[in-house]
Amino acid sequence: QSVLTQPPSVSAAPGQKVTISCSGSSSNIGNNYVSWYQQLPGTAPKLLIYDNNKRPSGIPDRFSGSKSGTSATLGITGLQTGDEADYYCGTWDSSLSDVVFGGGTKLTVL
Amino acid sequence: EVQLVESGGGLVQPGGSLRLSCAASGFTVSSNYMSWVRQAPGKGLEWVSVIYSGGSTYYADSVKGRFTISRDNSKNTLYLQMNSLRAEDTAVYYCARDLPDSSGPGAFDYWGQGTLVTVSS
Repeated sequence: QSVLTQPPSVSAAPGQKVTISCSGSSSNIGNNYVSWYQQLPGTAPKLLIYDNNKRPSGIPDRFSGSKSGTSATLGITGLQTGDEADYYCGTWDSSLSDVVFGGGTKLTVL
Repeated sequence: EVQLVESGGGLVQPGGSLRLSCAASGFTVSSNYMSWVRQAPGKGLEWVSVIYSGGSTYYADSVKGRFTISRDNSKNTLYLQMNSLRAEDTAVYYCARDLPDSSGPGAFDYWGQGTLVTVSS
């Protein structure tokens, strides 16, 4: 069981918008910054969002992040078939003194 | 260009040892926070260990006392020495760099391609 909770799967049609939730506690999301990663099949994870809502250089603004209390959300607009991947949230857990991740969400673009 | 290249994975028997390497280019390992993250087959991401720029090291409870993270500044290379390996350590192991501009630990902006460690008799 992962420290952070994500839905196992989400789906939406091309061109639509989807959101992926990540739920934690005060020791992790509630008091630390959240990152989001995209992992295409057979590849290493790629950083999409850091510091809750910042995008690294090269990440399109179709990807957005937000945080409220002990939950965080990744939003993806204008879905493309190339967005089909596993998405992970991650943050620091102050109680565990560990980086913790969600279990991952598989996005299907129908 | 920033690049991380892992090596050293393979098949090892339970109780055995293995040392993973992560050769970095395009930046200085010793000036950054560097982590190892692993992913068991078909499973999610699990953070394993970090070495801070100042040299402090930290480990997940699942590997504490068995794994050791280190770096060789002259080779700009990160290492993970893994001893007393168990079947549950079977995973792809990634080295990753903490984004220097992030406000907290755990935002990994560069990852290696991963190296597979299989622990089996």
